[in-house]
Amino acid sequence: GQQLNQSPQSMFIQEGEDVSMNCTSSSIFNTWLWYKQDPGEGPVLLIALYKAGELTSNGRLTAQFGITRKDSFLNISASIPSDVGIYFCAGQPPLGAGSYQLTFGKGTKLSVIP
Amino acid sequence: DAGVTQSPTHLIKTRGQQVTLRCSPKSGHDTVSWYQQALGQGPQFIFQYYEEEERQRGNFPDRFSGHQFPNYSSELNVNALLLGDSALYLCASSKEGAEQFFGPGTRLTVL
Repeated sequence: GQQLNQSPQSMFIQEGEDVSMNCTSSSIFNTWLWYKQDPGEGPVLLIALYKAGELTSNGRLTAQFGITRKDSFLNISASIPSDVGIYFCAGQPPLGAGSYQLTFGKGTKLSVIP
Repeated sequence: DAGVTQSPTHLIKTRGQQVTLRCSPKSGHDTVSWYQQALGQGPQFIFQYYEEEERQRGNFPDRFSGHQFPNYSSELNVNALLLGDSALYLCASSKEGAEQFFGPGTRLTVL
């Protein structure tokens, strides 16, 4: 099935550092979502974006909906050990066929070194 | 407020068998979507149920079927299990828009 291009695949950072990851698609999306998944758990919704150019924050997390509607970025500031996990981007296309499903990236695995 | 719940947590089956997974949506949600997540991959959309009907289907064979009940809970059925069906099966519920909230998943192992 289709997947988004998410990068980097993995990253190791020092506690306190800022983190950036991004997601790109060949198709336009109406909505971008960012999830975090811990081992053995389901994905937890972090941020939802609904408008091109939109910048939204949730605590230390900030995400942006790209102007082209084909990309999105997630930044984590001042990382802490509990930020460890796999971060997924997900997109939903415009209304019409396929508009109900979320298409996911392969994830960015984040490791934080204390 | 209970979130999305799924049962069972883990399941082991053999090839050719059939399996049924269950999902109860978050309170106030009326739409249930099912996803398959293979190891090291992002979730792949199987189908979505709304008003007890399959509203959208992903690229999965007919061996995968589902049902939604009047109380909005849902079942995922997989027939003639293959080794490749081993995965984490995730249920997500939503009310409107794309904000889908996921359950903890059911880990299916096919031997």
